[in-house]
Amino acid sequence: KQEVTQIPAALSVPEGENLVLNCSFTDSAIYNLQWFRQDPGKGLTSLLLIQSSQREQTSGRLNASLDKSSGRSTLYIAASQPGDSATYLCAVLTGANSKLTFGKGITLSVRP
Amino acid sequence: GAGVSQSPSNKVTEKGKDVELRCDPISGHTALYWYRQSLGQGLEFLIYFQGNSAPDKSGLPSDRFSAERTGGSVSTLTIQRTQQEDSAVYLCASSLYSGSKNIQYFGAGTRLSVL
Repeated sequence: KQEVTQIPAALSVPEGENLVLNCSFTDSAIYNLQWFRQDPGKGLTSLLLIQSSQREQTSGRLNASLDKSSGRSTLYIAASQPGDSATYLCAVLTGANSKLTFGKGITLSVRP
Repeated sequence: GAGVSQSPSNKVTEKGKDVELRCDPISGHTALYWYRQSLGQGLEFLIYFQGNSAPDKSGLPSDRFSAERTGGSVSTLTIQRTQQEDSAVYLCASSLYSGSKNIQYFGAGTRLSVL
């Protein structure tokens, strides 16, 4: 059974800091990995998707990497801003047409 | 529509009542998913529809939960005889592609409160 872990559960950093959010998963036979952002009371916004054959994806200040063999992904946020404050969820797709298995998320607070 | 639409956005009901939650996926998306987000439990899969295939119901927590998808588009999640532990945010997602390009787009969710 696939399990996804995100540690720590919460993180508080000063504005401008570069930071790394970690995600680990137990079954390396994945099709892809997605990072989502969730604002309080809102749905999920897809940030980056890394296909199983890829090592990383970039979008603006965000960079996500994937190491399937070790079951790890990282989301790098450069020059953090207060507007980045949200919960960041990692999810893996284990079947081609299948459900996502989610971590419990990391709640990020960026202090002005 | 531009995105996945869910209604109602909030639903308050009394224990024992039935509720129906609606999801309108992105036009043309063949796959539709329901997830539940409970406090402290994270996001858990409930049910998945793909085209005309039989749905994957493996995540439904009890036989009080059911879902249907009419005409390959709109889906309704029904919870019968609601219990307090059913209180959660119910999220719907849809996707166009399968395999490694399967990106799931989520609606804003329905927040269900069972009193």
